Amino acid sequence: KNEVEQSPQNLTAQEGEFITINCSYSVGISALHWLQQHPGGGIVSLFMLSSGKKKHGRLIATINIQEKHSSLHITASHPRDSAVYICAVRGEYGNKLVFGAGTILRVKS
Amino acid sequence: DTEVTQTPKHLVMGMTNKKSLKCEQHMGHRAMYWYKQKAKKPPELMFVYSYEKLSINESVPSRFSPECPNSSLLNLHLHALQPEDSALYLCASSGGRGLKNIQYFGAGTRLSVL
Repeated sequence: KNEVEQSPQNLTAQEGEFITINCSYSVGISALHWLQQHPGGGIVSLFMLSSGKKKHGRLIATINIQEKHSSLHITASHPRDSAVYICAVRGEYGNKLVFGAGTILRVKS
Repeated sequence: DTEVTQTPKHLVMGMTNKKSLKCEQHMGHRAMYWYKQKAKKPPELMFVYSYEKLSINESVPSRFSPECPNSSLLNLHLHALQPEDSALYLCASSGGRGLKNIQYFGAGTRLSVL
């Protein structure tokens, strides 16, 4: 079993829909990252969380440390949101990130 | 400036060639990373430099040789690569030694080994 599990693996949505991507992890962490990667491109850090909730524009990220679970929400989705969304956790010690397999999101107009 | 710049964007090399990938950041970050990403897979950590010293080597073959000449630059020297080394190579940096720092990623170098 992977230390970081994401669901769903693939997600297709209509423009305007509310989207949720989930991440569960099985190890103690110091922080959790949500990352975005467009096809063939580099990675953009969306959020880093150690507790609670963060919001940036149409993106909201939440984390429940007790349940070892985080969600990434996209409100009013748009085709330009189409990308791979990756959850990554940093362990309690050191700089190493452990990555989930990613969720491939496609938003249709 | 939150940019990590990688060059070249694309590289094609033969198995006998020697080439280098470069990564540069001017955010004052003291931790820098090399990742390898195969298609449709998450990134895999290769090396971590902290304060210009190699702190993590994830059992990477010696045909990959990292170098950190100063706090802003990170190189990855390539020699005698194999076709299976073809991948997207990502550089990242983060501030200080703190455990809770965002890693900023570059756009990557797409490497093809023929």
